[in-house]
Amino acid sequence: RKEVEQDPGPFNVPEGATVAFNCTYSNSASQSFFWYRQDCRKEPKLLMSVYSSGNEDGRFTAQLNRASQYISLLIRDSKLSDSATYLCVVNDSKENTGFQKLVFGTGTRLLVSP
Amino acid sequence: EAQVTQNPRYLITVTGKKLTVTCSQNMNHEYMSWYRQDPGLGLRQIYYSMNVEVTDKGDVPEGYKVSRKEKRNFPLILESPSPNQTSLYFCASSGSSGSSSEQFFGPGTRLTVL
Repeated sequence: RKEVEQDPGPFNVPEGATVAFNCTYSNSASQSFFWYRQDCRKEPKLLMSVYSSGNEDGRFTAQLNRASQYISLLIRDSKLSDSATYLCVVNDSKENTGFQKLVFGTGTRLLVSP
Repeated sequence: EAQVTQNPRYLITVTGKKLTVTCSQNMNHEYMSWYRQDPGLGLRQIYYSMNVEVTDKGDVPEGYKVSRKEKRNFPLILESPSPNQTSLYFCASSGSSGSSSEQFFGPGTRLTVL
């Protein structure tokens, strides 16, 4: 089983639509969760962190369900500029090092059309 | 401008010809990391460094070397490249190895090994 699993998509939606992405992770000890955005052939960039109580940033809402080991990202009122790949990212820990490693999902591709 | 730079951005080489991809950050970050990104596999960590002269293997270190002689630089060395190292490579840095710290990525290096 992959450490972080995402539906690869693509999700094709019209402008103005609401779209939701889901992600599951296997390490129940994970403490930190993020969504990164990656445009075609570009580097990933942090979109938002995901907090236990859920959090919102403008049109973006992130939710965490620790019991089900499940993370979601909701995008409201989709814009053309939202077209990108969204990466679910979970921390992992290296034994005896205190080092926290980030594990990336393979990403979900979103295409917003006019 | 705070940034992570990589060079070269594109490289086509032949099997066995040693090459180095440079990475430099101007944010005084302690933590740096190298990833490769392949279709369907997502970002996988090659090596990471928690500070000067401190490096360790990530998930896919075979065929790669790194060094961290200065805080700002973290070069990736392929002593004898092979075709299976054809990939998109990203360098990243963050202010700490803590799981809540945002990683900043370089623009990527697209490597083709013939």
